[in-house]
Amino acid sequence: QSALTQPASVSGSPGQSITISCTGTSSDVGGYNYVSWYQQHPGKAPKLMIYDVSNRPSGVSNRFSGSKSGNTASLTISGLQAEDEADYYCCSYSSSSTLVVFGGGTKLTVL
Amino acid sequence: QVQLQESGPGLVKPSETLSLTCTVSGGSISSYYWSWIRQPAGKGLEWIGRIYTSGSTNYNPSLKSRVTMSVDTSKNQFSLKLSSLTAADTAVYYCARDSSVWYDSWGQGTLVTVSS
Repeated sequence: QSALTQPASVSGSPGQSITISCTGTSSDVGGYNYVSWYQQHPGKAPKLMIYDVSNRPSGVSNRFSGSKSGNTASLTISGLQAEDEADYYCCSYSSSSTLVVFGGGTKLTVL
Repeated sequence: QVQLQESGPGLVKPSETLSLTCTVSGGSISSYYWSWIRQPAGKGLEWIGRIYTSGSTNYNPSLKSRVTMSVDTSKNQFSLKLSSLTAADTAVYYCARDSSVWYDSWGQGTLVTVSS
């Protein structure tokens, strides 16, 4: 069981917006602005999409945005495109002995 | 842009020790944390641990008794040793650059199978 809770799957049609949630505790997501999000296509390494809750690395589309409220972080993808279909993982710093915790992953299907 | 490449055996016997090396190119290994992350087939990501270029380490408590990480700055490499392997350690192992608990550069991953 993963330390951070994500929905197993979400779906949306091209052009629509979707949001993936990532729920933790005050010891991780809620306590620090060190939440990051990764996109992973089948057979590929994860790719950083968002860091420090809401910052986008250079080269990542501005259709991807991140936010946080309390113990829940969210990744929003607007203007869905077929290429967005992938698994998405959240990650957070944790003040527990584990230090780094991941979510279980969310499979995004573009209908 | 920095590139990472994992190397090591793809098949290891139960109870033996896995040794993987990550070679960093296109940039210096200095002044960063470097992490190992694994992913069993069809499952999520699990953080194994990280090492700073000074040699300081942090390990996942669930693996701590079996993990050793080291760094060789002269070769721009860092390494992972995982002992007492079982089938549950079968996974794709990734190395990644750790920029304050976010990972901006990843290796392609290497599949490690634990089987006799």
